[in-house]
Order: sequence, then C-alpha cells, then structure tokens
Amino acid sequence: DAKTTQPNSMESNEEEPVHLPCNHSTISGTDYIHWYRQLPSQGPEYVIHGLTSNVNNRMASLAIAEDRKSSTLILHRATLRDAAVYYCIPEKLGGSEKLVFGKGTKLTVNP
Amino acid sequence: EPEVTQTPSHQVTQMGQEVILRCVPISNHLYFYWYRQILGQKVEFLVSFYNNEISEKSEIFDDQFSVERPDGSNFTLKIRSTKLEDSAMYFCASTQREGRNEQFFGPGTRLTVL
Repeated sequence: DAKTTQPNSMESNEEEPVHLPCNHSTISGTDYIHWYRQLPSQGPEYVIHGLTSNVNNRMASLAIAEDRKSSTLILHRATLRDAAVYYCIPEKLGGSEKLVFGKGTKLTVNP
Repeated sequence: EPEVTQTPSHQVTQMGQEVILRCVPISNHLYFYWYRQILGQKVEFLVSFYNNEISEKSEIFDDQFSVERPDGSNFTLKIRSTKLEDSAMYFCASTQREGRNEQFFGPGTRLTVL
C-alpha cells in the first residue's frame, strides 16, 4: 500500500479557505487518490477522488501535483460542519479495493 | 438519498458471548465491507464480501469472525466469542462496483465488551 503523510492537525476560521495537504510519494501510476472525512461520532464519508487532473465537486476541490506525489484537498469556504478528520487514501488496484486509513488530519474550524 | 443503515447503534455484551452486528447496504450495491475503529485509533479494514463470498480479509478477521448475507438485503458480522479487545466501533460499507468508486459507510455500531 502506498504510504501517505498528512499533518496531524490544522485549524481554520469559518468561511475561509482550507488547504489540506497529503504526501503520497510511493503512489503507483494508476492508483486513484481518494479523500474521505470522518465527522465526530460518525462513519467515514467520501469527499472526492482523482487520478491526474484537478477535480471539483460540490464538497471540495482536489489539486493533484503533476508528479502525483502529493495532493491538496481544498475546502473553499470552511463551515463549522467541516470540522472532521480528513483522510487521504491512495486506492490499491485489484481485489476488493479495501480502504487503508491512516491517522488523517484533524481539522478544527473556529467560528 | 439512499444510505447504509446499521443496527444496533450500541451493543453491550459479556466477554465470551456471541454478537451479531447487522447492516443494510444500499440496495444496488454489490461489494460490502466491515471496518472497525478502536477508540482513538485508526479505522481498520476487517473484511470484504462480493458475490456471496469473502474476497479479502485482514489479520484481525480470525476464526472468531464471520460474515453473511442471509437474505439479499442484510449483511451481518458475527463475533463468536467476544473478547475485551473487540470493543470498538464497527462500520459497514458498500459500493456499487469494484474500484474507483466511493464507499458508503453506515453510522456504526458501538460494541462494548465487559
């Protein structure tokens, strides 16, 4: 499994943008990069995924470095509800596509 | 919006007892998973299930664990003889197809083994 490195924690103010980095230097060429988050006392929740190009959806944007060794999840305007642990997960090809969670980044959003 | 449901939300049991955790995945999904999260620790993969058989299991998923899809809608995790260290949140997840597709997680069952 590709190893990921994320900061343990980050803080943001409400309505400001947040950039959550992830280093995945050992990712293989065809692994997708998934981001999930886990709100307090809830199950993980899918946020976004991408392969090479930057991706946008209603929740966030994903910027992937040209060499694919890192990516950044962007929350354009953080809300209190975005306070969660964010996980960057390269997807292992083949088999059942189990998700391998790291420790993630705990995001605190200040009012 | 369709969602994965799990029952019960909290289960308390005595060490050595059998427990069955239940999940109803999203109806058109084909791949099913169980994960667990011990308090304060990472979410850990336990087992994946497709086409009525286990497709992958982790080291944690030993002979005390089993999974079943008894009736085409429920997906269950059974722990035959619970240990104190089985206390954790257990999450069920499902996805429509293999690879590159989001997994939908349920809210979890908190298992407390006394």
